[in-house]
Parts: sequence; structure tokens; C-alpha cells
Amino acid sequence: EVQLLESGGGVEQPGGSLRLSCAASGFIFSNYAMNWVRQAPGKGLEWVSSIVGSGTNTYYADSVKGRFTISRDNSRNTLFLQVNSLRPDDTAVYYCAKSSSGSYDAFNIWGQGTVVLVSS
Amino acid sequence: DIQMTQSPSSLSASVGDRVTFTCRASPGISNYLAWYQQKPGKVPKLLIYAASTLQSGVPSRFSGSGSGTHFTLTISSLQPEDVATYYCQKYNNAPYTFGQGTKLEI
Repeated sequence: EVQLLESGGGVEQPGGSLRLSCAASGFIFSNYAMNWVRQAPGKGLEWVSSIVGSGTNTYYADSVKGRFTISRDNSRNTLFLQVNSLRPDDTAVYYCAKSSSGSYDAFNIWGQGTVVLVSS
Repeated sequence: DIQMTQSPSSLSASVGDRVTFTCRASPGISNYLAWYQQKPGKVPKLLIYAASTLQSGVPSRFSGSGSGTHFTLTISSLQPEDVATYYCQKYNNAPYTFGQGTKLEI
């Protein structure tokens, strides 16, 4: 069974950092692009970042560019999101999502999400 | 960047109704369009990709159409379990922008 399990969320002060992880299982991890999507309380879905299967190309929303870094460890089947310089508007559920192929494609599998709360 | 605009923002319908949601992309995105369903308190679920291809396991009452700038998601006969917010998303290239969503109520 294909599964994605996020971890690493929590409460952090403005300006702080967190490292989110997404453990993948049930598929050949390196063959697929991976993504982070967030959802602020009561709001819609916001695409955050994507990384191709090999890890060579990464993409970011303007709202997080320069503060967030996506990476992956294909030997450990794990996706990461390093979130720095946190702001209150970064408060959200962060979902890890698998693309249907190695690059541009729909997100066919989603994790349960990890909550990030930025508050002083 | 390409803007994704969904309409209406909310919709109320009755069981058995035919329901249609609209998503517009500016500029066009060919058929690189996906639709997702998010039930209250749940994780988003892929319904349709490539504008009109039904994801495996999705009931056949769901269908998608369109290309370029105008896309629609249709539920042919609304069921109680279809209460959810529906999002479109472009994926021709980054940023993989979502529409703001359409909330469906019964």
C-alpha cells in the first residue's frame, strides 16, 4: 500500500525553524516527483514546493522562496522541508503529496499532514 | 504567473441534482488540469487529471471537461457523500497553483 507519513510539525516562534519530514512507502520513491502543499486554518490549498524524482530540480511558491528548502533522500525514501524565518502566516497543515510521475503531474497520493503553528 | 479562478465559491444543491463547477486559467494550460475533493476534516483526494481522466476508484458520476482556459467538473447525480470543497489545480509547470475552491453543500 502506498503511504506517506509526515512528521516534524509543532509550535515555533516567529523567526524560528522547523524541519518537516515525509516518510514514503509502497512505491519506488526515486521515480516520482514529490510536493508540499499547505492549508491555513479555514483556508484553501496552497502549493508550497516540489522536487523532481532525482532531486536535481526544485520549485517554490513566491511566498516561501528564500525561506523554505525542499530536499529528498532517495536512499531513505524520505522527503524534507526545511522551514526557516517562520512567520505567523506560515501557520498551516503541511501535506506531503506524491506526483503521478517523475515531474509535472497531478498529486495522486497525500499524507495526513503535520501541523505547524507559528506563535509567540 | 497563471491565475486559477473557480466559480462559484459555494453551491447548494439537492440529492440527485446535476452539479457543475467551473475553473478558469489565465493564460491557458492545455489539459494540465486536476480536480481534487476535500471532505470536511479530511485529506484532499485526486478525482480527475488531464482535465477529463477519472482517477482509479472515483465514481463514474464525476466527470471533467475542458482545455486551454475553461474547465468544468460535473457530478451527474449528487449524493450526500459528495459534500466537500472542490479544488482545481494547474500542473503544466511550476507554480502548481490551486484555485480557491468551491464549497458544495446539500
